[in-house]
Amino acid sequence: KAGVTQTPRYLIKTRGQQVTLSCSPISGHRSVSWYQQTPGQGLQFLFEYFSETQRNKGNFPGRFSGRQFSNSRSEMNVSTLELGDSALYLCASSLAREWTFGSGTRLTVV
Amino acid sequence: KNEVEQSPQNLTAQEGEFITINCSYSVGISALHWLQQHPGGGIVSLFMLSSGKKKHGRLIATINIQEKHSSLHITASHPRDSAVYICAVRWEAAGNKLTFGGGTRVLVKP
Repeated sequence: KAGVTQTPRYLIKTRGQQVTLSCSPISGHRSVSWYQQTPGQGLQFLFEYFSETQRNKGNFPGRFSGRQFSNSRSEMNVSTLELGDSALYLCASSLAREWTFGSGTRLTVV
Repeated sequence: KNEVEQSPQNLTAQEGEFITINCSYSVGISALHWLQQHPGGGIVSLFMLSSGKKKHGRLIATINIQEKHSSLHITASHPRDSAVYICAVRWEAAGNKLTFGGGTRVLVKP
């Protein structure tokens, strides 16, 4: 079966711009969670969506937002990009005890 | 503060050696994950534990709920096991929000 698909794989943006990342979960998985990985902070939880509702949120500024569509696909948006937003952004979809991570989107802010 | 501590940070082994990675956490959890991350970023979920022990091939994961401690063992290690291994916990009443350890970078030399 298809895995978790994240697009794009790589992205370069300029400070001040905004960016939208996409995550398509495994079919049937209704929970999608997002994570940021940086060399300094490691992996950190951003937010989780379940059935189009945000169920949990990490400690990130309001510039980071997300949404989930009726087909469980999720997007996250970062507005007014800062250099420190350069990171690998990972999403994971889950159903009960089955968890699958995507390959991530590597965002570079210049 | 809910924390997850992993040790060691780095580990080098000769092919065939037995490897142990440790993870300790501070308060009650609903589940603990062991993840593997290869260069390039993609994460693979190896195990999800809430009690006892699980085995998959040469990998064994154990958890002691009373001691708030989990271990990941790699038997007969192989160079392809070289990766970063990360434990992540789901705190009780925190849904699918994961808190991650700092990771253990494993290098297996032939």
